[in-house]
Amino acid sequence: DAGVIQSPRHEVTEMGQEVTLRCKPISGHNSLFWYRQTMMRGLELLIYFNNNVPIDDSGMPEDRFSAKMPNASFSTLKIQPSEPRDSAVYFCASSLGQTAEAFFGQGTRLTVV
Amino acid sequence: QKEVEQDPGPLSVPEGAIVSLNCTYSNSAFQYFMWYRQYSRKGPELLMYTYSSGNKEDGRFTAQVDKSSKYISLFIRDSQPSDSATYLCAMSDLRGNNDMRFGAGTRLTVKP
Repeated sequence: DAGVIQSPRHEVTEMGQEVTLRCKPISGHNSLFWYRQTMMRGLELLIYFNNNVPIDDSGMPEDRFSAKMPNASFSTLKIQPSEPRDSAVYFCASSLGQTAEAFFGQGTRLTVV
Repeated sequence: QKEVEQDPGPLSVPEGAIVSLNCTYSNSAFQYFMWYRQYSRKGPELLMYTYSSGNKEDGRFTAQVDKSSKYISLFIRDSQPSDSATYLCAMSDLRGNNDMRFGAGTRLTVKP
């Protein structure tokens, strides 16, 4: 298995632009998590899905952030409009069930200038 | 005060040294404790998992939990250059991945 696949690996965008991050979970996994990692705040959970349904989005910083999971093999995290303080590494992780080991993708490094 | 405190380092040791990595926490409800290893430009990967107090050993790695002191440790024996990475502690009161609270991570370099 190729593991969790995220795209793009790097994204540089101007403030105010829309950014879409993509994730393909491991086949068969039914839980998907989006995290953000910064030097200041470390690794933080933004939202997680179970069987394609958003269960808890309390970690989403504000309305500029939205996430979707239209099917079991694809999820997106969208930021609109983007701001410099959104610059971070965004990780997607998936697991077979909420309590099983979560496998992380390689992350998307986002820079908003 | 953060729920989970971890010294970010950096920590540099010679090859073969014993490494001690630590985290403290404030939430006494935490009972699941994890250590993740994150190589540069990669996502975290689960290294060790323990439940409640006690020790767990896996090869050169030993995880210790002291719930009375709210203190957890990861020991690496006979450290190797390939152990050079950032080590993140994580903990939760329930077993769910969504409940995990992560430390800031300690950056470790093992010099040949």
